[in-house]
Amino acid sequence: GDSVTQMEGPVTLSEEAFLTINCTYTATGYPSLFWYVQYPGEGLQLLLKATKADDKGSNKGFEATYRKETTSFHLEKGSVQVSDSAVYFCALSDPSNDMRFGAGTRLTVKP
Amino acid sequence: DAGVIQSPRHEVTEMGQEVTLRCKPISGHNSLFWYRQTMMRGLELLIYFNNNVPIDDSGMPEDRFSAKMPNASFSTLKIQPSEPRDSAVYFCASSPGPGANVLTFGAGSRLTVL
Repeated sequence: GDSVTQMEGPVTLSEEAFLTINCTYTATGYPSLFWYVQYPGEGLQLLLKATKADDKGSNKGFEATYRKETTSFHLEKGSVQVSDSAVYFCALSDPSNDMRFGAGTRLTVKP
Repeated sequence: DAGVIQSPRHEVTEMGQEVTLRCKPISGHNSLFWYRQTMMRGLELLIYFNNNVPIDDSGMPEDRFSAKMPNASFSTLKIQPSEPRDSAVYFCASSPGPGANVLTFGAGSRLTVL
């Protein structure tokens, strides 16, 4: 079935460092792709999404591009802040299969 | 809108007891999802409903787990009898409809079974 695989964590960076969290997917159809973020003690929140190939989702300085040729949706941010410390989940949604999440990657940003 | 409302936020119970978790989705949302989150297995989809009808319950671990959605504004997830391995955070989420829609999550119910 459809699934996503994201890089194992945890990831620890210094403030203002560049962030990449890798995500690849397997799908039989044409899924939409998402990044969700989970702050401590809270539920997941949508960070960004892309619904078709070559779309770029962006929000709060984060961005990810839907790459059909490499079946990837890597999350990037040019300069992370301490407040970005959270767990990040890659996810896909197919009309026939609904939302499936990756294992999550814990990011810690140190001042 | 107050978002997706879950209760209780925390529950501690003893093995063998019945546990009922509750969820109120966002008004007007037609799809509702129950997820379980643990360190070992991450975020697992347990079951989802469209228009109050269970569509996919293949993620429900075993017969001890059951979920109902008697109307569009309320759902329950019941565990009977509970076991220590059921300890986890249970999330409810809703979306406007099936397919490629954004999920809105509740704050979760943290269950500890002693």
